[in-house]
Amino acid sequence: AQSVTQLDSQVPVFEEAPVELRCNYSSSVSVYLFWYVQYPNQGLQLLLKYLSGSTLVESINGFEAEFNKSQTSFHLRKPSVHISDTAEYFCAVRPMNRDDKIIFGKGTRLHILP
Amino acid sequence: DAGVTQSPTHLIKTRGQHVTLRCSPISGHKSVSWYQQVLGQGPQFIFQYYEKEERGRGNFPDRFSARQFPNYSSELNVNALLLGDSALYLCASSLTARQGARTEAFFGQGTRLTVV
Repeated sequence: AQSVTQLDSQVPVFEEAPVELRCNYSSSVSVYLFWYVQYPNQGLQLLLKYLSGSTLVESINGFEAEFNKSQTSFHLRKPSVHISDTAEYFCAVRPMNRDDKIIFGKGTRLHILP
Repeated sequence: DAGVTQSPTHLIKTRGQHVTLRCSPISGHKSVSWYQQVLGQGPQFIFQYYEKEERGRGNFPDRFSARQFPNYSSELNVNALLLGDSALYLCASSLTARQGARTEAFFGQGTRLTVV
């Protein structure tokens, strides 16, 4: 079985400040790792993913996440946030040995302060 | 190109009623999955269908059922609605459901169901 823990339900941060959203997972098998973003009243959009290779993955809008196998973590970071980054962020995993479901964390609400 | 489309966008039903939610996947995608997102929580997996066959089922009661049509669109049906069924229902499509495939899931905007 797999589980995903997002330690912070809400993270307030000032505009242009750096941010880190934490994610830890538990799994008895190898997994693919994802971060999804959900803007108010919208569905989920894939922000970035780790499938294999370099443990540092980047998105087109300045976010990055690093896969740490020993700590079973996949924290999301951005060096300078903008008001448009206000959203809910979900960390998720999918077992490599099956393709039927994605397991999500409970989400972290990023609240940008002016 | 159209993304994943879901209908209706919003729905209000009474306890005990039945509801049908619809999803059209991205053109060429053969796999459709359904998720339930209760307010303040992450999405929970309900079903996956691939090539019209059920490939996976989450921990949901038998009141929940689904099917996939020859054009790969899908319906989610919920019978005997309870207040606790109020949620955002998300549909996701992916190219394939081949085991181990590094396929990405694309989500629709969801259907917000309110049970009163």
